[in-house]
Amino acid sequence: QKEVEQNSGPLSVPEGAIASLNCTYSDRGSQSFFWYRQYSGKSPELIMSIYSNGDKEDGRFTAQLNKASQYVSLLIRDSQPSDSATYLCAVNMLGNTPLVFGKGTRLSVIA
Amino acid sequence: KAGVTQTPRYLIKTRGQQVTLSCSPISGHRSVSWYQQTPGQGLQFLFEYFSETQRNKGNFPGRFSGRQFSNSRSEMNVSTLELGDSALYLCASSPGTEKGTQYFGPGTRLLVL
Repeated sequence: QKEVEQNSGPLSVPEGAIASLNCTYSDRGSQSFFWYRQYSGKSPELIMSIYSNGDKEDGRFTAQLNKASQYVSLLIRDSQPSDSATYLCAVNMLGNTPLVFGKGTRLSVIA
Repeated sequence: KAGVTQTPRYLIKTRGQQVTLSCSPISGHRSVSWYQQTPGQGLQFLFEYFSETQRNKGNFPGRFSGRQFSNSRSEMNVSTLELGDSALYLCASSPGTEKGTQYFGPGTRLLVL
């Protein structure tokens, strides 16, 4: 069964710190990886995508991918209270399969 | 460009009834996916339509069905509602070329009494 695992949290970090969110996936042939942010009562929104090993930076966000370890992470630098949300990892696996979402990690940034 | 719209936003039904939810994707997007979201199970995939054809289907009973029209608008139907169908139903549209790039609508919150 194709799975995406995330620690449900909550992950609490102080304002200004680096928040590190992790995700592992079961399908070694997975091709592309995405991070979505979902505020309470709202729908998910795409914040990052990554396709190859290494780091990809976008503003305060950095996505990291290690396909050998089947591991993808999201770092949020200078965390702000407005970053408090649930972060969903999604993986595009091989074949004609739908996008697979993890259950999400709830992040709380404390002012 | 207008975002994904879903109607209705809120719905209250009783067990045994049926319900139809509607989704209008972003203009030009040909793929529409439906998800059920509950606090315990997270985001669960229902089905995906691309150019009026069902491209993928999740592990839901046959009471859940959907379709897509030529203008890419999509509907999903749930028949014989059960209490456990109470959830947030999300529709997401995608250009179709990269299925990870999905744009979600605001969702329809369904309560089954």
